[in-house]
Amino acid sequence: AQSVAQPEDQVNVAEGNPLTVKCTYSVSGNPYLFWYVQYPNRGLQFLLKYITGDNLVKGSYGFEAEFNKSQTSFHLKKPSALVSDSALYFCAVFLPNQAGTALIFGKGTTLSVSS
Amino acid sequence: ETGVTQSPTHLIKTRGQQVTLRCSSQSGHNTVSWYQQALGQGPQFIFQYYREEENGRGNFPPRFSGLQFPNYSSELNVNALELDDSALYLCASSALAGGTLYEQYFGPGTRLTVT
Repeated sequence: AQSVAQPEDQVNVAEGNPLTVKCTYSVSGNPYLFWYVQYPNRGLQFLLKYITGDNLVKGSYGFEAEFNKSQTSFHLKKPSALVSDSALYFCAVFLPNQAGTALIFGKGTTLSVSS
Repeated sequence: ETGVTQSPTHLIKTRGQQVTLRCSSQSGHNTVSWYQQALGQGPQFIFQYYREEENGRGNFPPRFSGLQFPNYSSELNVNALELDDSALYLCASSALAGGTLYEQYFGPGTRLTVT
């Protein structure tokens, strides 16, 4: 079965420190990879995506993600965390060229940045 | 903000009742996908509509049904509500062209509580 794993329910980091939110996936083919962020009582906001090309993808709000095909991982990173980054982060995959498919999400990781 | 709107924001229903949730797509998008996000979980794909036809469906029973209108807005209908249907329902619009689904833009969601 196609699946996305976010092994950490919560990541705690101090403001100014680098952060990493982990994601691995198990799907057939070459998926598109996404990160979304969700603030309380809000919908999902797109952060970044990987389709092809450079393994390091830059996105919104200073976030970036590194694609590793051999490890089937797509970890989200930021060099210097802000308190305002505290939110729920979802990794998702999409299988292109398959009619009617949609995003497959991980369970989410809560990021807590302390001042 | 993404330009995707959903109504109502919150809804409380009784077990056995029926509910209709609405979504207006972002301008230029021809595809709408609906997701259910239970508490503490990632969004789960319900179904997708493309040009007014159902274009794919996740693992949800037939009492979950939908419509897409000529202006690409959409409805999600749930019959015979169960307690487990309590969740945040997210609508996402996107453009489907040449078999490729581009990134999905999410609305703020409708919080459904079934008592």
